[in-house]
Amino acid sequence: NAGVTQTPKFRILKIGQSMTLQCTQDMNHNYMYWYRQDPGMGLKLIYYSVGAGITDKGEVPNGYNVSRSTTEDFPLRLELAAPSQTSVYFCASRQTGINQPQHFGDGTRLSIL
Amino acid sequence: DAKTTQPPSMDCAEGRAANLPCNHSTISGNEYVYWYRQIHSQGPQYIIHGLKNNETNEMASLIITEDRKSSTLILPHATLRDTAVYYCIVQYGGSQGNLIFGKGTKLSVKP
Repeated sequence: NAGVTQTPKFRILKIGQSMTLQCTQDMNHNYMYWYRQDPGMGLKLIYYSVGAGITDKGEVPNGYNVSRSTTEDFPLRLELAAPSQTSVYFCASRQTGINQPQHFGDGTRLSIL
Repeated sequence: DAKTTQPPSMDCAEGRAANLPCNHSTISGNEYVYWYRQIHSQGPQYIIHGLKNNETNEMASLIITEDRKSSTLILPHATLRDTAVYYCIVQYGGSQGNLIFGKGTKLSVKP
């Protein structure tokens, strides 16, 4: 029952460093999403993908990049980390079709110092 | 921005029903009402969704008013493990599936 797996769970970065947040799902879902959640707030969509090779921007894409080379994996890349990117990052996936619920991973807690 | 309005917090006694309200007065005819919850520090968890009929599953019941401008999520016998932030989300069912989260309702179940 792996579902959506995110790694790492925690990370501290220095300003200007880069890193990749990993997300993989074993449910053969075509749709995948990256959200960020700042303290006391709801989730905001960063990027999403409707299938391998197809990605699109969400509400807050600046400072991030994604790729989708396989159905299972949807990594999120931070190129030049900034303090404003300190947040909790959640990956989600869902089946194709109307009204399919999203399944979320447990998140990556990222601090930029 | 979120299309829904929810109270910021509610309390409920353990074993009693928890009734969480949501206003969505601008909902359009093809938009569904979804409920998710987020237990502390975990990823959101899907609970239930509906269009205009009342819905029930193993976790909860969803009551949607006839004019569809508001709804209520009912947890019939709340337990301490139901303490969480509950999000009411309005979304077109045939869309890309992007969820627009508001701040939700923090439900505290007390012994």
